Amino acid sequence: SQTIHQWPATLVQPVGSPLSLECTVEGTSNPNLYWYRQAAGRGLQLLFYSVGIGQISSEVPQNLSASRPQDRQFILSSKKLLLSDSGFYLCAWSGRGRGEKLFFGSGTQLSVL
Amino acid sequence: AQTVTQSQPEMSVQEAETVTLSCTYDTSESDYYLFWYKQPPSRQMILVIRQEAYKQQNATENRFSVNFQKAAKSFSLKISDSQLGDAAMYFCAYRRPAYTGNQFYFGTGTSLTVIP
Repeated sequence: SQTIHQWPATLVQPVGSPLSLECTVEGTSNPNLYWYRQAAGRGLQLLFYSVGIGQISSEVPQNLSASRPQDRQFILSSKKLLLSDSGFYLCAWSGRGRGEKLFFGSGTQLSVL
Repeated sequence: AQTVTQSQPEMSVQEAETVTLSCTYDTSESDYYLFWYKQPPSRQMILVIRQEAYKQQNATENRFSVNFQKAAKSFSLKISDSQLGDAAMYFCAYRRPAYTGNQFYFGTGTSLTVIP
C-alpha cells in the first residue's frame, strides 16, 4: 500500500534562518507531488507541484522553493525565512490516472519567530 | 489558477439532522473532477466524496451526497444523519485535467459544528 511521510511535525525557526521540509512517498512510482500551505483559519494554498524529477511548477511567487531530486522525494526550502512563512505545510501526492484523489501527509506546523 | 469559493465559513447542525455545505468554482475546462475533503482536529485530510464532471449522476457515499450543478458551477455537500464525528473543517477541491498538470485547488473551507 502507498504511504506518504512528511517531517518534521513541528518546527520553530528564527526569522532569516533556512528551511528544509522533506516528503517521501512509498508504494507507488512516478506520482504527481504537491506542497500546500494552510495559514491559520484559511484554506489550502497550492505552492508547488511536480509531475516528474526536476520538474517543478510554482503557483505563487514567494520566498520558498521546491525540488524533486528523486521520483518519490519532494523538498520545500527557503534560504531566509520570513514571519509570513509561518503556517501548516502539507505534502501530497496523486496518481496520474483520471480522477485520482490527493493523498496527504500529516503536515508540518512551522512557526517563524 | 482556478477559483473555488466556499461562502460559509462556519455552519452548525443538530446531531441526526441534515446539513448542506456550499461550493462554487470558476472554470472554462470541461474534463475536471471535484472533491470534498474533511479535516478533523487531527488535521489529517480525509477524502469524503468525489465527482467527475462528465457524470450527471450525483455521487453518494453512505451519509454523504453531492448536488452537482455543472452549468451553475456548483458542488454542494449534503451530510445526512449528522454525527458528532462529522465535526471538522470541510474543503471543496477542484482537480484540473491531466493534460494541464493535475493541479488541485481548494476553497477556504467551512467549519462544521455538530450540536449534541
